[in-house]
Amino acid sequence: QVQLQESGPGLVKPSETLSLTCTVSGGSISSYYWSWIRQPPGKGLEWIGYIHTSGSTNYNPSLKSRVTMSVDPSKNQFSLKVTSVTAADTAVYYCARQGGLGATSYWGQGTLVTVSS
Amino acid sequence: QSALTQPPSASGSPGQSVTISCTGTSSDVGVYNYVSWYQQYPGKAPKLIIYEVSKRPSGVPDRFSGSKSGNTASLTVSGLQADDEADYYCSSYAGGNIYVVFGGGTKLTVL
Repeated sequence: QVQLQESGPGLVKPSETLSLTCTVSGGSISSYYWSWIRQPPGKGLEWIGYIHTSGSTNYNPSLKSRVTMSVDPSKNQFSLKVTSVTAADTAVYYCARQGGLGATSYWGQGTLVTVSS
Repeated sequence: QSALTQPPSASGSPGQSVTISCTGTSSDVGVYNYVSWYQQYPGKAPKLIIYEVSKRPSGVPDRFSGSKSGNTASLTVSGLQADDEADYYCSSYAGGNIYVVFGGGTKLTVL
């Protein structure tokens, strides 16, 4: 059974960079699309973007200028960076594996990132 | 504002059926048969319960069913049970750079 686990700082200062890593266990990271999705407290889900293990990426246009994703197949990990964060970036961040088009079949447990000074 | 429109709440009594709608546009729900539904309990990650409009992943009870007509997709939960009480989110593949859009979520209450 594939399992995903997010890791990274739970508190980030405004204007700084949010960095998270997702470690995949129970299966290879290769040949799949891996996404980041976030959920502000009490609100709905927002797709941030995905990366394929080939390195190709696709980001939500609303975040594209501030988002970078990378993948390290040797460690079975992929990562997210969001620059110039504000309070609006406060959310639970989920890493996930895409199944069919638009379907997210495996999710991490999520990690709360708070943007505050 | 979410890209897909869902009612904020829905409710039903145990044993009854309830249907949750998800309205998109001709750029997402209306053109692609890639609508998914997720169930989310408080403090937990979402769980995929329907994909490609009406397909169920292994282990999801057949009490959950999905359909689509035009720009609106629907999730029907039949034979409501207490543990169906959760938030439900729809999503749709939107093609190209958008990739996937989500609904705002519907809180299902079992009376």
